[in-house]
Amino acid sequence: DAGITQSPRHKVTETGTPVTLRCHQTENHRYMYWYRQDPGHGLRLIHYSYGVKDTDKGEVSDGYSVSRSKTEDFLLTLESATSSQTSVYFCATHRGLASYNEQFFGPGTRLTVL
Amino acid sequence: DAKTTQPTSMDCAEGRAANLPCNHSTISGNEYVYWYRQIHSQGPQYIIHGLKNNETNEMASLIITEDRKSSTLILPHATLRDTAVYYCIVRSSTSGTYKYIFGTGTRLKVLA
Repeated sequence: DAGITQSPRHKVTETGTPVTLRCHQTENHRYMYWYRQDPGHGLRLIHYSYGVKDTDKGEVSDGYSVSRSKTEDFLLTLESATSSQTSVYFCATHRGLASYNEQFFGPGTRLTVL
Repeated sequence: DAKTTQPTSMDCAEGRAANLPCNHSTISGNEYVYWYRQIHSQGPQYIIHGLKNNETNEMASLIITEDRKSSTLILPHATLRDTAVYYCIVRSSTSGTYKYIFGTGTRLKVLA
């Protein structure tokens, strides 16, 4: 499972508050990803990182920002949480280098915005 | 980025082969097809991937059509523990970055 942890695992917050989710990996994988999962939508890519300080937007990036100051940590920030951001958030990593390497997923963070 | 289309749900009898189809008609030449599955609300788990040739591993087989516009994941002897949502993904690669676009998946139910 590539030693991926996510924190917190569960969070309840109120509309308008800032929220930061953390993804930590111990395998020195170059690529890291944040997805959200909602009923009827499968997994949708929010942002991804292809190296320290190198990030790019995914399909549903509005309202989210990310930072990657070191290889092992990828932070997802909701600047001002809204109820539409209630979701389960998954982090994933990918070794890169070779085309055949697969993604490894973390256990998920369940976020509820009231 | 290429999109994938999968049936919403399928049933399969325990012990029989489960054949899960996926359409990826807009796939380009250097894009790989990946399959993942998600059991309950756990993180998705890698199953298999391929580019042009058929592939087999200890979990499943992947059959890709010659024109690469569709593929089929085969679980040769489905068990109750294979009940999950199965995702077919086309992985795009641009300037050394890799992006995975998930669809809504197929909910496979293995029946006793």
